[in-house]
Amino acid sequence: DIQMTQSPSSLSASVGDRVTITCRASQGIRNDLGWYQQRPGKAPERLIYAASSLQSGVPSRFSGGGSGTEFTLTISSLQPEDFATYYCLQHNSFPWTFGQGTKVEIK
Amino acid sequence: QITLKESGPTLVKPTQTLTLTCTLSGFSLSTSGVVVGWIRQPPGQALEWLALISWKDDKRYSPSLRSRLTITKDTSKEQVVLTMTDMDPVDTATYYCAHSLVEHQLVPFSRKYYDYYYSMDVWGQGTTVTVSS
Repeated sequence: DIQMTQSPSSLSASVGDRVTITCRASQGIRNDLGWYQQRPGKAPERLIYAASSLQSGVPSRFSGGGSGTEFTLTISSLQPEDFATYYCLQHNSFPWTFGQGTKVEIK
Repeated sequence: QITLKESGPTLVKPTQTLTLTCTLSGFSLSTSGVVVGWIRQPPGQALEWLALISWKDDKRYSPSLRSRLTITKDTSKEQVVLTMTDMDPVDTATYYCAHSLVEHQLVPFSRKYYDYYYSMDVWGQGTTVTVSS
């Protein structure tokens, strides 16, 4: 199985801060990676697909980058509604695997 | 508008079989390229991919749960059913179904084709299952 290692596992930030979350794959996965946001008690929502493509309807402050084994999710200016947990998902090979999540909290 | 809704028991006893249903709206599993998958999330933990099924009945399973999982589709009802046998308290989780797509693509520099599965774009609201005697 491909292991997805997310870092950090949690972070505290203020509104307006720039935040970057990293996901590392245990082997190359091309750009077969999605990023998801999950608010408490809600289902995950896809923010980014194909590592860097913005899902329709998602604010442009979210961006994704990377290819191969290292990927990033960046929030350029954190907004109150962005405090949530973020997950990466690799769909390059089965079984699909998620990162362990990054919880973004209010400082 | 694509929506999915999970349904099933909220409580099952250890060793019982869990049957969950995902009802589709706004799209059809009869349509070429459509995929529906299942994911679960134990309380306070990360997401775990379980299985998926495609429009042409191709199925993929998590190897760690393969012996206990079965995924099927009923295109007449636009439903996908996941069964999980021999339930244990560690299977307590919120179970989600989600929409995805599959595309037949050419392998670069070859004449071979393979099925490329896209990540899940639309998720259901989830259904919580507790395993307890």
